[in-house]
Amino acid sequence: DAGVIQSPRHEVTEMGQEVTLRCKPISGHNSLFWYRQTMMRGLELLIYFNNNVPIDDSGMPEDRFSAKMPNASFSTLKIQPSEPRDSAVYFCASSSGAEDIQYFGAGTRLSVL
Amino acid sequence: SQQGEEDPQALSIQEGENATMNCSYKTSINNLQWYRQNSGRGLVHLILIRSNEREKHSGRLRVTLDTSKKSSSLLITASRAADTASYFCATDGSSYKLIFGSGTRLLVRP
Repeated sequence: DAGVIQSPRHEVTEMGQEVTLRCKPISGHNSLFWYRQTMMRGLELLIYFNNNVPIDDSGMPEDRFSAKMPNASFSTLKIQPSEPRDSAVYFCASSSGAEDIQYFGAGTRLSVL
Repeated sequence: SQQGEEDPQALSIQEGENATMNCSYKTSINNLQWYRQNSGRGLVHLILIRSNEREKHSGRLRVTLDTSKKSSSLLITASRAADTASYFCATDGSSYKLIFGSGTRLLVRP
């Protein structure tokens, strides 16, 4: 298995632009998580999907952030409009059960200028 | 606030030495996990210990759990330069949510 695949690996954009991050979870996993990692705040859970349904989006910072999971093999995290404070590494992770081990993608390093 | 807090924040040791990292948490847990993150990479799961277990081994890794003290330790024996990474503990804050600590940055000097 190729593991969790995220794209792009790096994204540099200007303030106000729309940013879309993509994630392909491990086949057969029914839980998907989006995290954000910064030096100041560490690793934060943004949103959790189970069987493609958003269960908990309480970590989504504000309305500028949205996430979708149209099917079991694809999810997107969108920021519109982006701001410099959104600069961080965004990770997607998947697992086969709620309490099971989470498998992380390599992350997307986002820089908003 | 974060459920797990690692101690120390940074650790520098010589290759061949043992490295010990500690994690404290605040609420009851079902299990505790340790993850490693190499620079510029995603987190990789190392080991999971359940609340009814006191010690677990995996290769050069030994994890202990003391639920009475709400603490866990990760011991890496005979460290190697390749062990240089950040190490995070994660507790199950709810039925699905893992709460990660702030991590320990380990540097193993050749």
